[in-house]
Amino acid sequence: SQQGEEDPQALSIQEGENATMNCSYKTSINNLQWYRQNSGRGLVHLILIRSNEREKHSGRLRVTLDTSKKSSSLLITASRAADTASYFCATDGGSGYALNFGKGTSLLVTP
Amino acid sequence: EADIYQTPRYLVIGTGKKITLECSQTMGHDKMYWYQQDPGMELHLIHYSYGVNSTEKGDLSSESTVSRIRTEHFPLTLESARPSHTSQYLCASSESGRAHEQYFGPGTRLTVT
Repeated sequence: SQQGEEDPQALSIQEGENATMNCSYKTSINNLQWYRQNSGRGLVHLILIRSNEREKHSGRLRVTLDTSKKSSSLLITASRAADTASYFCATDGGSGYALNFGKGTSLLVTP
Repeated sequence: EADIYQTPRYLVIGTGKKITLECSQTMGHDKMYWYQQDPGMELHLIHYSYGVNSTEKGDLSSESTVSRIRTEHFPLTLESARPSHTSQYLCASSESGRAHEQYFGPGTRLTVT
């Protein structure tokens, strides 16, 4: 399978703390994307990092990519209760036609 | 917020019924996708389309069918619903080209009794 795999499966932190989620994948990629899904809703795109990039920032989000280890991490700084959601990484597997999603990390941020 | 819509949002239906889940987008995207997602699990691609009159099966075998007669519309049909079809169905679209970000609809939660 080309699917990404997130780690940990679940994470519980307090507001103000940082949350780090990891993603590992199996095949070469053109890019890797992170999405957020609130309970019972569709996914929302957060950030895309290309295979020739090592780090990318967007607001409180920081994504790193290590293609030699086939892994990526998503860091959310100064977390808020509104960040409570499931976070998925998705890879294109080099094919470019569709994305392969992992099982996600469920993040709970408590006040 | 993405301009992609799914109806109905929730559907409870009896075994054997024919159902169509609607998906429409107003962004002019050529690529559209259907995913199936069980609670707390990953998304599985069941159908995708590169454009009008183009449809392909995804990685997960599905008894559903799709059509793409208009760019903005990508309905999914189950000829005879079964309890095993109970799941959440997510529609998405993206621009042409290699692996652009996908825009997702809110999903349809289907329960077959």
